[in-house]
Amino acid sequence: SQQGEEDPQALSIQEGENATMNCSYKTSINNLQWYRQNSGRGLVHLILIRSNEREKHSGRLRVTLDTSKKSSSLLITASRAADTASYFCATDTGAQKLVFGQGTRLTINP
Amino acid sequence: DTGVSQDPRHKITKRGQNVTFRCDPISEHNRLYWYRQTLGQGPEFLTYFQNEAQLEKSRLLSDRFSAERPKGSFSTLEIQRTEQGDSAMYLCASSSWRGPSYNEQFFGPGTRLTVL
Repeated sequence: SQQGEEDPQALSIQEGENATMNCSYKTSINNLQWYRQNSGRGLVHLILIRSNEREKHSGRLRVTLDTSKKSSSLLITASRAADTASYFCATDTGAQKLVFGQGTRLTINP
Repeated sequence: DTGVSQDPRHKITKRGQNVTFRCDPISEHNRLYWYRQTLGQGPEFLTYFQNEAQLEKSRLLSDRFSAERPKGSFSTLEIQRTEQGDSAMYLCASSSWRGPSYNEQFFGPGTRLTVL
């Protein structure tokens, strides 16, 4: 079964607005990774956040991690049409394999 | 381009045929992973290599599936006697065990398999 669960499953916003996606997981982790996937294509690595980190930034992306709540969030600021994609969180429990959620489908409307 | 590459990008086959996919990881990465993704789902782990050693296999990897990484560089995934349920995107990823991006898994573009 999937370890991570993203919320919401689908999100539609206007260009320029901020998009927030959440991820919850069940077991202790070494790190959590966020990926973007455009329709029918491979996964693009966005950010890795380790269990001893609480927040990381990369450009317009901000990721937080709350290990006490077993949750993470991905914030995309000033969204663009090109941000339209599915976003996945994946947890690494130290077993070298990533366990993915079902993803959030983000649509940015012009 | 020094990213993960996969070949072929698309494969259409008839039920019962064998297929083989190839993955070339990022050159300095010693870990290589195979995942499978079906429509509307997140990727699911299949198997993992550290150098040439296959260290873990998922229950999803039935006896019809075999993966190799003979020289610790490229890897192949073979599916024998394909079934319609094998239709999916097969994704390869690689990672390094050291350096600033250790444990970050970088994915290839995938091989989309359609079994008729």
